[in-house]
Amino acid sequence: NAGVTQTPKFQVLKTGQSMTLQCAQDMNHNSMYWYRQDPGMGLRLIYYSASEGTTDKGEVPNGYNVSRLNKREFSLRLESAAPSQTSVYFCASSVGSGSYNSPLHFGNGTRLTVT
Amino acid sequence: SQQGEEDPQALSIQEGENATMNCSYKTSINNLQWYRQNSGRGLVHLILIRSNEREKHSGRLRVTLDTSKKSSSLLITASRAADTASYFCATDAKGSQGNLIFGKGTKLSVKP
Repeated sequence: NAGVTQTPKFQVLKTGQSMTLQCAQDMNHNSMYWYRQDPGMGLRLIYYSASEGTTDKGEVPNGYNVSRLNKREFSLRLESAAPSQTSVYFCASSVGSGSYNSPLHFGNGTRLTVT
Repeated sequence: SQQGEEDPQALSIQEGENATMNCSYKTSINNLQWYRQNSGRGLVHLILIRSNEREKHSGRLRVTLDTSKKSSSLLITASRAADTASYFCATDAKGSQGNLIFGKGTKLSVKP
């Protein structure tokens, strides 16, 4: 019973490099989310996918792209990494469309450093 | 922009004591949720309270919601060292398409 799995756990990038963060859930959830967590800022929503085939911007989408590959997988791509994107990235999923009355299940995060 | 703000930012207590954390928010909500985050881990859902509910219990957790004051509190009774973690409130604001907005969290330290 893995829940939400994120890879990689750690990553160091140089400014300008690109990478994709992977996320997969095995709970048959409809909705998936990407958050970033910075010290003193709490969690901020980057992108979300209310259902397979749809994606929408959250609070801080600039510099990121997402793909909802299928119902299980939701990836986050940094096309040209910047030091401001140094953060811990969390993927989450929920049963319902959006999060109305539906708790989020989180992965354990990807710790990204951009130098 | 932050919808929920937790208070205090940090709380240190002895094992066996009760811990109370507060959350204030700005706009009308559909529901409010509390999450726990252990160091280096993802967030874990604790409890959800709907806007038409005033109090909810789950084991040693008690959550209250006062929509007139736009505030919620999380009480952990008879705390244990294992309760040491950060606690976040998250609100599902009306008109937000159901997306949760998280506060900055309260860091709880329970000393044995």
